[in-house]
Amino acid sequence: QQQVKQSPQSLIVQKGGISIINCAYENTAFDYFPWYQQFPGKGPALLIAIRPDVSEKKEGRFTISFNKSAKQFSLHIMDSQPGDSATYFCAATAGTALIFGKGTTLSVSS
Amino acid sequence: NAGVMQNPRHLVRRRGQEARLRCSPVKGHSHVYWYRQLPEEGLKFMVYLQKENIIDESGMPKERFSAEFPKEGPSILRIQQVVRGDSAAYFCASSQTKPGLANTGELFFGEGSRLTVL
Repeated sequence: QQQVKQSPQSLIVQKGGISIINCAYENTAFDYFPWYQQFPGKGPALLIAIRPDVSEKKEGRFTISFNKSAKQFSLHIMDSQPGDSATYFCAATAGTALIFGKGTTLSVSS
Repeated sequence: NAGVMQNPRHLVRRRGQEARLRCSPVKGHSHVYWYRQLPEEGLKFMVYLQKENIIDESGMPKERFSAEFPKEGPSILRIQQVVRGDSAAYFCASSQTKPGLANTGELFFGEGSRLTVL
């Protein structure tokens, strides 16, 4: 299966800090890169997504940075809040199934 | 608007029994996906179906697992002769069109079915 590699596995950030999660992919046919957020006991929900024709997309406190030549993309959470504590998954697709990274568990301490 | 509905939410089976997991997609969605989630392993793609057709089953184990999405009714993930290693959360997702298309390609997930094999 085509892989999406995600790091770190877990992350602890203080309230108000910046959380950064990184992903790398291999398949150059991937053309859609979403991030999903999952709370315990719930299903994942779309947070923000980007296509490779732009290098950055911002929605509120959440920003995706995309580096096509390096085949990497990252999620930045500005002014992290305790309510952001969740598991975050990056994903990619070439128009068939979404392939997910292994997830990053974020804990924001107050 | 009802989201993706999965049932049962929790299922306990003994080794060798069959497990059937059901998924009703968002109304109007014809694309359905099944994923398996184990702790620290993320979401592993299993199968992608579009009304009566299997589009991609590259993540489905070759034996004991099958999936269908009939013209009428929910999608079913069937696991025959369950083993302890099948214990996991199984998530269903649906989309209006194929993944990634603007406005219609977003995947919506259900809350999962948690299978425990004794």
